[in-house]
Amino acid sequence: AQSVTQLGSHVSVSEGALVLLRCNYSSSVPPYLFWYVQYPNQGLQLLLKYTTGATLVKGINGFEAEFKKSETSFHLTKPSAHMSDAAEYFCAVLNTGTASKLTFGTGTRLQVTL
Amino acid sequence: DGGITQSPKYLFRKEGQNVTLSCEQNLNHDAMYWYRQDPGQGLRLIYYSQIVNDFQKGDIAEGYSVSREKKESFPLTVTSAQKNPTAFYLCASSIQRNQPQHFGDGTRLSIL
Repeated sequence: AQSVTQLGSHVSVSEGALVLLRCNYSSSVPPYLFWYVQYPNQGLQLLLKYTTGATLVKGINGFEAEFKKSETSFHLTKPSAHMSDAAEYFCAVLNTGTASKLTFGTGTRLQVTL
Repeated sequence: DGGITQSPKYLFRKEGQNVTLSCEQNLNHDAMYWYRQDPGQGLRLIYYSQIVNDFQKGDIAEGYSVSREKKESFPLTVTSAQKNPTAFYLCASSIQRNQPQHFGDGTRLSIL
């Protein structure tokens, strides 16, 4: 079975500060990992993905994430927060075995203050 | 522009009534999915379909039904057997089962 744990259901940062959203996963096979962002009353938009290869992946809107197998983590970062980054962020893991099921974390709501 | 269209955006259901949520995609994707989103619980998979005329139950299929008669369309019916239907429903599609999923803007279902 696979699972995703997002530490902190709410994170608040000041505009211009570092954004760090934590994600830990468990998977019995090499995982594919994703971060999605959701704005109010909208669907999810893909921020970035890790499949194979380089462990530091860059996404849209200045976000990046690093796959650390030894720590089973895939934390999302952005050097400088902007007001427009306020949204809910979901980490997800895809089991690349026969099930190919995408499992989502429970989400982290990011608040950006002046 | 290619994308996924969900309609309606808001839907109200009376007790004992079945309602159908529409999902159409023009991305030429083979796989389509329905998720239910409740506050604090993330997304839970209701049904998915990898090809036309085939679909599989997800984690919370009870009280729901789907059809996949066309590649572009994957409607979800919330039946009267679903006792707690109030939620935000999201439809998604992907080129293949193990590729990133693209999402529609959702339908918010409430009980009258």
